Amino acid sequence: GIQVEQSPPDLILQEGANSTLRCNFSDSVNNLQWFHQNPWGQLINLFYIPSGTKQNGRLSATTVATERYSLLYISSSQTTDSGVYFCAVERMRGSTLGRLYFGRGTQLTVWP
Amino acid sequence: DAGVIQSPRHEVTEMGQEVTLRCKPISGHDYLFWYRQTMMRGLELLIYFNNNVPIDDSGMPEDRFSAKMPNASFSTLKIQPSEPRDSAVYFCASSLVWGQPQHFGDGTRLSIL
Repeated sequence: GIQVEQSPPDLILQEGANSTLRCNFSDSVNNLQWFHQNPWGQLINLFYIPSGTKQNGRLSATTVATERYSLLYISSSQTTDSGVYFCAVERMRGSTLGRLYFGRGTQLTVWP
Repeated sequence: DAGVIQSPRHEVTEMGQEVTLRCKPISGHDYLFWYRQTMMRGLELLIYFNNNVPIDDSGMPEDRFSAKMPNASFSTLKIQPSEPRDSAVYFCASSLVWGQPQHFGDGTRLSIL
């Protein structure tokens, strides 16, 4: 498989603060996605970003594929941003094409 | 547009019983994925289908698990017989084409007593 490491494992913020979540992976990838799992357990796709930078409102993501990492930026955090953020990748080669491997996630808590 | 629809949302049953989880993917999506989420192992892919054909079932834990996709709008994941260690949240997801964003259903929370 491929190793996907996310940091930090836990993050506690005051509303309005900014944060950066990191995802490192151990092999070349052709697919990287960021997900948010809200406190009700729903998994929401935030970004499909195998390379480059994308922005969606207060959230943005950057993937540097050559250096095998991706960053998720959350600006002006709100309590509704609380939950677990997952990074998932697909290896570029090998017998596991099509299979997404998930990291263990970053648990984000935003206090009012 | 309706998202991925899973049923039931919760299932509690006794060990040894057959369990059937159901999934309706987003219309027009060619790929369907079944995942399992536990505290110990996190999110792991069990099996995925392309155009109703199983492509990779290497994540299916054992022969007690089976999955089918009889048509483009319906899939089932069956556990027979169920065991307490099968307790988890099971997610279904679909994507338009390979490598594109996956959209998840709300999951089925399964408890085997």
